[in-house]
Amino acid sequence: DTTVKQNPRYKLARVGKPVNLICSQTMNHDTMYWYQKKPNQAPKLLLFYYDKILNREADTFEKFQSSRPNNSFCSLYIGSAGLEYSAMYLCASRTGGAAETLYFGSGTRLTVL
Amino acid sequence: AQSVTQPDARVTVSEGASLQLRCKYSYSATPYLFWYVQYPRQGLQLLLKYYSGDPVVQGVNGFEAEFSKSNSSFHLRKASVHWSDSAVYFCAVSMSSGGSNYKLTFGKGTLLTVTP
Repeated sequence: DTTVKQNPRYKLARVGKPVNLICSQTMNHDTMYWYQKKPNQAPKLLLFYYDKILNREADTFEKFQSSRPNNSFCSLYIGSAGLEYSAMYLCASRTGGAAETLYFGSGTRLTVL
Repeated sequence: AQSVTQPDARVTVSEGASLQLRCKYSYSATPYLFWYVQYPRQGLQLLLKYYSGDPVVQGVNGFEAEFSKSNSSFHLRKASVHWSDSAVYFCAVSMSSGGSNYKLTFGKGTLLTVTP
């Protein structure tokens, strides 16, 4: 079963409020990724967990936090949502090296009002 | 800086016609190249990938892609498209993120519309 699940499918948030998005995978993958996708833009890597080690991209370092309480789950946390956070958030996982396939969830569409 | 460029934001073709979606990459090391497809309301799914050997790689649903080191390209092709191929297609390159970590860098995607 090559399934990555994301909850919820749609999320509405208020400006200044926190947001928590959830992702799970049952493939025992060692690496889990979070991407942000806005219209007419490439999916942008925000951060990833390799095992228990969190790696955040330099340009989004202070905007997003994450936790991985076990191998199967990974969350994406926004402490104070702004309008610019409205986007599709994609979770993905894989194991192994550079040639290995990334498996994606269906995404969570976040709208900040 | 490493990057992926898909020059065509939108492509429209007639059903049964041939298709080429273009992708150019910029990466200093050996590239590991991917094409993903996103159908409406679904996650990204792998179409095919290249990491060594024959520069023409076959994928699912009759898709193939050709790697060209001299042109830094990885164009996607299909001989005869079907209406169900309408989707967004993403080209991506896998690159080192330090140590044994790797990440995928994507192009902006090409929206393919197949008309009757």
